[in-house]
Amino acid sequence: GENVEQHPSTLSVQEGDSAVIKCTYSDSASNYFPWYKQELGKGPQLIIDIRSNVGEKKDQRIAVTLNKTAKHFSLHITETQPEDSAVYFCAAYSNYQLIWGAGTKLIIKP
Amino acid sequence: SQTIHQWPATLVQPVGSPLSLECTVEGTSNPNLYWYRQAAGRGLQLLFYSVGIGQISSEVPQNLSASRPQDRQFILSSKKLLLSDSGFYLCAWSVLAANNSPLHFGNGTRLTVT
Repeated sequence: GENVEQHPSTLSVQEGDSAVIKCTYSDSASNYFPWYKQELGKGPQLIIDIRSNVGEKKDQRIAVTLNKTAKHFSLHITETQPEDSAVYFCAAYSNYQLIWGAGTKLIIKP
Repeated sequence: SQTIHQWPATLVQPVGSPLSLECTVEGTSNPNLYWYRQAAGRGLQLLFYSVGIGQISSEVPQNLSASRPQDRQFILSSKKLLLSDSGFYLCAWSVLAANNSPLHFGNGTRLTVT
């Protein structure tokens, strides 16, 4: 079955710098890759997603890139702000369900 | 607008006791409903999903069960809790399948089995 690995588990960056979180997947048939943000005490919330027919997608300071050949996708956050501090999850859609990465705790240092 | 309510927020239960967690969705009809468990340092594990009243699919064999007695109500139950059932339980809904519409999560229930 599908396996999604996410790195790093914790990422600390200076406010204003960029943050990159990477995920790899195993099922070459996976065709949908969302990213969710989970703030403390809340459920995850979709922030951006990408489908397998697209290589990159941007939404203001957030972008996602997909390399189908290498089977990995990444989340890029530019000009990080304190409110970006949260746990971020990647996921891949396989066999009618989302398979989730283990999460990355992003810490924005003032 | 659509809202999802999940309760209780925290729960401490002894081993062997029963469990009932409830989730309701407002503002939408015939949603897909999901129960996930989130363990510390691990991703979300899908436990159950439902595409309609009385229709439950189980993804992981365990001592938990789910029911959908009404269109917008999803209940997670156990007859006898185990220590390994401790975790953070999340309910979610979507309009379509998870690859065609986002999942909307509740704020979760922190379950501690002692």
